[in-house]
Amino acid sequence: DAGVIQSPRHEVTEMGQEVTLRCKPISGHNSLFWYRQTMMRGLELLIYFNNNVPIDDSGMPEDRFSAKMPNASFSTLKIQPSEPRDSAVYFCASSLLAGGRAGELFFGEGSRLTVL
Amino acid sequence: SQQGEEDPQALSIQEGENATMNCSYKTSINNLQWYRQNSGRGLVHLILIRSNEREKHSGRLRVTLDTSKKSSSLLITASRAADTASYFCATDSNYQLIWGAGTKLIIKP
Repeated sequence: DAGVIQSPRHEVTEMGQEVTLRCKPISGHNSLFWYRQTMMRGLELLIYFNNNVPIDDSGMPEDRFSAKMPNASFSTLKIQPSEPRDSAVYFCASSLLAGGRAGELFFGEGSRLTVL
Repeated sequence: SQQGEEDPQALSIQEGENATMNCSYKTSINNLQWYRQNSGRGLVHLILIRSNEREKHSGRLRVTLDTSKKSSSLLITASRAADTASYFCATDSNYQLIWGAGTKLIIKP
């Protein structure tokens, strides 16, 4: 199994540019999470999908952030326009949710975003 | 929001020694999980302990859970250089996990 695959691994962009991060979850998993990790704020949940449907997007910082999951094998996180404070490592994680309870999460290697 | 609080924030020990990290949380849980994160990598699941369990082992890892004190500990025995990483506890809250800030463990050769 290839695990959760994220791309790009590194992205350097200028303020105001659009950034799109991509994630392929583990086949068969029904839940997908987007997290952001920074030294100051630690690991923050941005959005959670279950069966491709966004369930909780309360962690999305503001309207500049959007996420989609058009099918069970692909999700995107878009930032438009990007700002320097968006610089962070963005993780995608997937899991097989059963009984409505959080189980083991499988993380991708992350996308390190730097906004200049 | 962060429910888990790891203690200590950083720990530096000699290779071969045991490392103990603690996690405290605030609300009732169904399970508590520990994850490891190597520098520049994603988090990796280590072990899950359910609320009705008090102790669990996996290789050199030993996890305890005290629901009356709302705390858990992770013990790594006979530490190795490869154990150098950050360790996070996470408690379940319905569909999502609530994460602590992590303990940074350094194993000195």
